[in-house]
Amino acid sequence: RKEVEQDPGPFNVPEGATVAFNCTYSNSASQSFFWYRQDCRKEPKLLMSVYSSGNEDGRFTAQLNRASQYISLLIRDSKLSDSATYLCVVIEGGGGNKLTFGTGTQLKVEL
Amino acid sequence: GAVVSQHPSRVICKSGTSVKIECRSLDFQATTMFWYRQFPKKSLMLMATSNEGSKATYEQGVEKDKFLINHASLTLSTLTVTSAHPEDSSFYICSARGAGGVQETQYFGPGTRLLVL
Repeated sequence: RKEVEQDPGPFNVPEGATVAFNCTYSNSASQSFFWYRQDCRKEPKLLMSVYSSGNEDGRFTAQLNRASQYISLLIRDSKLSDSATYLCVVIEGGGGNKLTFGTGTQLKVEL
Repeated sequence: GAVVSQHPSRVICKSGTSVKIECRSLDFQATTMFWYRQFPKKSLMLMATSNEGSKATYEQGVEKDKFLINHASLTLSTLTVTSAHPEDSSFYICSARGAGGVQETQYFGPGTRLLVL
């Protein structure tokens, strides 16, 4: 089983739609969680951290469910510029350095 | 945010040659740098972690004699792919983190595309 699993998509949605991605992780000791965005042939860029209580940044809402070991990302009012691959990233606890990336979910926002 | 650069951005080489990739933190001191590899439609896979002035820690399955990492200063780490073969063709990305420890954000470089013919 992969450490971090995501539905690869692609998710094709019309502009203005709301779309949600889920990510599951296998290590219950994982401590830190992030969503990164990666554009085609570019490096990943931090979109937002994910906190236990859930957090929102503009049109983006992230949630964490430790009991079920999944993380979600909700994008409201999607824009054409949101088209990218969204990577779920997990850091294990115990002072570990290692970022473990999911394979990413591809989003295509269309007119 | 902080800036990390990589050089070269793209390299094509013949099988058997060695390729050096540089990763620089431009406006902060990176006590820890990470090297990742990403194959098409796959996730980033951590290859190794390097701390300034010490030997790199390699992930399982990564050959340390093939992928030589040097982190000689707080702003520069290099990855050398020795005797490159076509299966080494990939997108190599570095990231850098400051002295704040594991909670500090990692900043990624723009990546280097390696094509081995």
